[in-house]
Amino acid sequence: EVQLLESGGGLVQPGGSLRVSCAASGFTFSYYAMSWVRQSPGKGLEWVSAISGSGDRTYYADSVKGRFTIARDNSKNTLLLQMNSLRAEDTAVYFCVREARGYSYAEVWGQGTTVTVSS
Amino acid sequence: DIVMTQSPDSLAVSLGERATINCKSSQSAFNSGNNKNYLAWYQHKPGQPPKLLIHSASTREFGVPGRFSGSGSGTDFTLTISSLQAEDVALYYCQHYLDSWAFGQGTKVEIK
Repeated sequence: EVQLLESGGGLVQPGGSLRVSCAASGFTFSYYAMSWVRQSPGKGLEWVSAISGSGDRTYYADSVKGRFTIARDNSKNTLLLQMNSLRAEDTAVYFCVREARGYSYAEVWGQGTTVTVSS
Repeated sequence: DIVMTQSPDSLAVSLGERATINCKSSQSAFNSGNNKNYLAWYQHKPGQPPKLLIHSASTREFGVPGRFSGSGSGTDFTLTISSLQAEDVALYYCQHYLDSWAFGQGTKVEIK
């Protein structure tokens, strides 16, 4: 069974850092591009970042560029999102997403991990 | 940046009746290389992750009930629920995924 399990969310102060992870199972992880999508309280879905299957290409939304870093460890089937200089507006549920091969729509979603930025 | 605009923001439909959600993209979702529209629809219920319903504008994902259908091309798309069931109460999002990702603001579907 294909599964994505996020972890690492929590409460962090403004200006702080946090790293969230996504453990993938049930498929050949390196074959798929992966993304992070977030949903802030009372708001819609927002794409955050994406990474190619090999990890050589990364993409970021303007709202997080320069503050967030996406990475992957294909030997451990793990997707990472390092979040620095966090702001209140980064408070959200962060979903790990597997993209469909060749087309890039969001084929499989994790349950999400909650990040709260507050003093 | 691509802007996706859904209408209406919310709608209430009687059980068994049709629900229609529209989605307009500021840029074409059509890929002339493979003649596909890079437009998807997702269903999102509270406490659950979003669920893919339709991709390529009109292709239902495996296991999605036949009452869900998608149509449209280029910049204008529609999601139709032909006969609303109680379990269809949710938020629905369209997504443009050609070159970059952009989601609509969401449409809330309720029972009248």
